[in-house]
Amino acid sequence: DGGITQSPKYLFRKEGQNVTLSCEQNLNHDAMYWYRQDPGQGLRLIYYSQIVNDFQKGDIAEGYSVSREKKESFPLTVTSAQKNPTAFYLCATSTTEQETQYFGPGTRLLVL
Amino acid sequence: GNSVTQMEGPVTLSEEAFLTINCTYTATGYPSLFWYVQYPGEGLQLLLKATKADDKGSNKGFEATYRKETTSFHLEKGSVQVSDSAVYFCALSDPQKLVFGQGTRLTINP
Repeated sequence: DGGITQSPKYLFRKEGQNVTLSCEQNLNHDAMYWYRQDPGQGLRLIYYSQIVNDFQKGDIAEGYSVSREKKESFPLTVTSAQKNPTAFYLCATSTTEQETQYFGPGTRLLVL
Repeated sequence: GNSVTQMEGPVTLSEEAFLTINCTYTATGYPSLFWYVQYPGEGLQLLLKATKADDKGSNKGFEATYRKETTSFHLEKGSVQVSDSAVYFCALSDPQKLVFGQGTRLTINP
């Protein structure tokens, strides 16, 4: 199946812990994105990458880090510096020619 | 910077009612405009898009027309179904990324 996979579906973080959210795609899309969704606030862009080994900060990058070592993968690490990490995290992809973004099923992060 | 404003929800309608969800935008240049839909616990799905002024996007009975003069992209459907219950997001293209509105929750009662 072609598509975008995010894992895990639910993730729990303890105080002071870093956690990593996975995003994998087999659509052969060049660009990948991470969004955070909070109730009633829409989606806010965390990081995005247009090409392997390159990425840019979005609107709310503080407390997060990413890597783009492979075209298929764009993992997001929520660090202990992110004081309010509870949210629904969405990964998206697009081709460089098109503006349309395609979304994965999301990961819900909860703090213990 | 570029921004999108949607009508506040929640919106509750009866089955077969007419639906309008308002969306206005502020942008430099002429961005592409999108409507996405999100069902409970899922990611976003593209519903329709329009890339230039006066274009009409349509899909699954939903329509929206790119109005440059009023900077609007209102979503409409002539007869809603219970299965249309979801959160709807309006978005515009900013170079290399999308800017989203806050979303409008729609509930359709049988």
